Amino acid sequence: DTAVSQTPKYLVTQMGNDKSIKCEQNLGHDTMYWYKQDSKKFLKIMFSYNNKELIINETVPNRFSPKSPDKAHLNLHINSLELGDSAVYFCASSHSGGRNEQFFGPGTRLTVL
Amino acid sequence: DAKTTQPPSMDCAEGRAANLPCNHSTISGNEYVYWYRQIHSQGPQYIIHGLKNNETNEMASLIITEDRKSSTLILPHATLRDTAVYYCIVRVEGPGANSKLTFGKGITLSVRP
Repeated sequence: DTAVSQTPKYLVTQMGNDKSIKCEQNLGHDTMYWYKQDSKKFLKIMFSYNNKELIINETVPNRFSPKSPDKAHLNLHINSLELGDSAVYFCASSHSGGRNEQFFGPGTRLTVL
Repeated sequence: DAKTTQPPSMDCAEGRAANLPCNHSTISGNEYVYWYRQIHSQGPQYIIHGLKNNETNEMASLIITEDRKSSTLILPHATLRDTAVYYCIVRVEGPGANSKLTFGKGITLSVRP
């Protein structure tokens, strides 16, 4: 009965590869997010989707492409991976407007070699 | 969103109250104070939030000063499992509000046996 789940938990890959991270929430929320936490532990918003529409895009390279097939899923596809993409990526979800406490997934640790 | 300032770290003894301070001197009238925490290797977890009145839930209490320029998160009986980084975040809430969370460096709370 995990609220926000991400797969995979760990991802190790070579520079230049393309990879995807999947996120699913079963909380009935209509807004989902991707955050990136770098090696210095700073946690920054990347994207936000509301009802499958992109509402926040925080100056992320266009090698990163989020896709939301439905309100319960928000996947992150990364093309041409670079060393600097190594980080922990967190998915989160919330209701829109009103009190929107965000629920976070367990994170995906991406290591680019 | 207004900026917050937190000490980098603090510790407390297990079973004692942990009082975590946060300054947000530029807070606007419609901005709420949110607290999240991140236990090592996990996703951030919502704790509590408030506008101007003190708030209490099963996890913690939030005390906001009358001028709203600072607040204190109180964990009444800290346990070893409360060791984490605690983030104080100020943001607007409500329909149409920018829903992203802007994380600072947070305060690292270490609970000692």
